[in-house]
Amino acid sequence: QVQLQESGPGLVKPSETLSLTCAVSGVSVSRDYWSWIRQPAGKGLEWVGRFSPGESLLYNPSLKSRVTVSIDTSKNQFSLELNSVTAADTAVYYCARSINSGFDIWGQGTMVIVSS
Amino acid sequence: DIVMTQSPDSLAVSLGERATINCKSSQIVSKSSNNKYCLAWYQQKPGQPPKLLIYWATTRESGVPDRFSGSGSGTDFTLTITSLQAEDVAVYYCQQFDGSPPMYTFGQGTRLEI
Repeated sequence: QVQLQESGPGLVKPSETLSLTCAVSGVSVSRDYWSWIRQPAGKGLEWVGRFSPGESLLYNPSLKSRVTVSIDTSKNQFSLELNSVTAADTAVYYCARSINSGFDIWGQGTMVIVSS
Repeated sequence: DIVMTQSPDSLAVSLGERATINCKSSQIVSKSSNNKYCLAWYQQKPGQPPKLLIYWATTRESGVPDRFSGSGSGTDFTLTITSLQAEDVAVYYCQQFDGSPPMYTFGQGTRLEI
């Protein structure tokens, strides 16, 4: 059974870097496609970026200059870094497995607040 | 950029009745290598992550009740829920994968109430 679990600081100061990790269990992170998706409170879903071993990283063009998605095979996890954050980056951040052009497995999400 | 527009934004349906949610793409949704549309539907309940219901526009995810069905082609797609149950109260999202550059885009969501 594939499971995902996000972790990271719940509070980030403006202009600093948001760093989150998604621990993957039940499958090797070295296969499949792995994405980050965020959702501001009471609003819709926004895809952030996708990593897949052996393929080009994909990023939401609106965030591309600030986003890095990476993978740590030794820990079977993947990570998100979003720099120069503002209040607009406050959201629940989900990690998810991308498959068949959709997202079939999701983490429970982690709330990140950008505030001084 | 591709824009996905859902309609209506919210709807109320009686128990046992049919609910229909529409999703319109600003461009023709691309097809995967198996010639299926790269269009998915999700259900999200409060405090929970979204749950995949339908992928490739018409394929029901394993474990999803058969009262949920997807249809459509080109730019217009539909999620239909027949015989509405109380547990179907949620926000529903469509999502596509395509574009140049390639990216995933969600609709704004449709709130379904009883």
